Amino acid sequence: NAGVMQNPRHLVRRRGQEARLRCSPMKGHSHVYWYRQLPEEGLKFMVYLQKENIIDESGMPKERFSAEFPKEGPSILRIQQVVRGDSAAYFCASSPILAGGNEQFFGPGTRLTVL
Amino acid sequence: AQTVTQSQPEMSVQEAETVTLSCTYDTSESDYYLFWYKQPPSRQMILVIRQEAYKQQNATENRFSVNFQKAAKSFSLKISDSQLGDAAMYFCAPQSAGTYKYIFGTGTRLKVLA
Repeated sequence: NAGVMQNPRHLVRRRGQEARLRCSPMKGHSHVYWYRQLPEEGLKFMVYLQKENIIDESGMPKERFSAEFPKEGPSILRIQQVVRGDSAAYFCASSPILAGGNEQFFGPGTRLTVL
Repeated sequence: AQTVTQSQPEMSVQEAETVTLSCTYDTSESDYYLFWYKQPPSRQMILVIRQEAYKQQNATENRFSVNFQKAAKSFSLKISDSQLGDAAMYFCAPQSAGTYKYIFGTGTRLKVLA
């Protein structure tokens, strides 16, 4: 059973471009969470999605950031018009059920560098 | 809102020795869970150990154990017989019962000396 997959592992964008980060949850997992890790900091929750639904996006910036988890295919975190402050590692995690007290399984992350 | 404090940015331990990483948190919740995650240089987040706040017994997982002091809101991680592979960033992460968000601390970088 493959783990959580994220691609690309590294992404370089120039200011003003768009970044698309993909996450394929573990097989059988229908809950996806995105976290952002700035250098020398812990992970910060961004958004929680189930298939075709955004459940909680309280940690996501209101502008330029969006997320989706379609019925088919991976979850996508999209950052429009990237700025240098968006440079960070973005982690996706998944769980088979709502992870209240249950483990979330993390992907290897995507490191975004904005030039 | 929950806050998490890991007061040791960096720790070193000799191989085969024991080290304790500290974590304190602030929460108004009565029911919650506590996790320690390890992030090695590969950056993959790996669950180390988990504790239910309603359990008085401290969790153990092989060489890893916790000292959970609920009244003091303290959740320290003890690593016994340290190995080179234990070198990593360690994050403490409370999670309220019935929710899904981890609140991560800023981490402690553990170096293991041969």
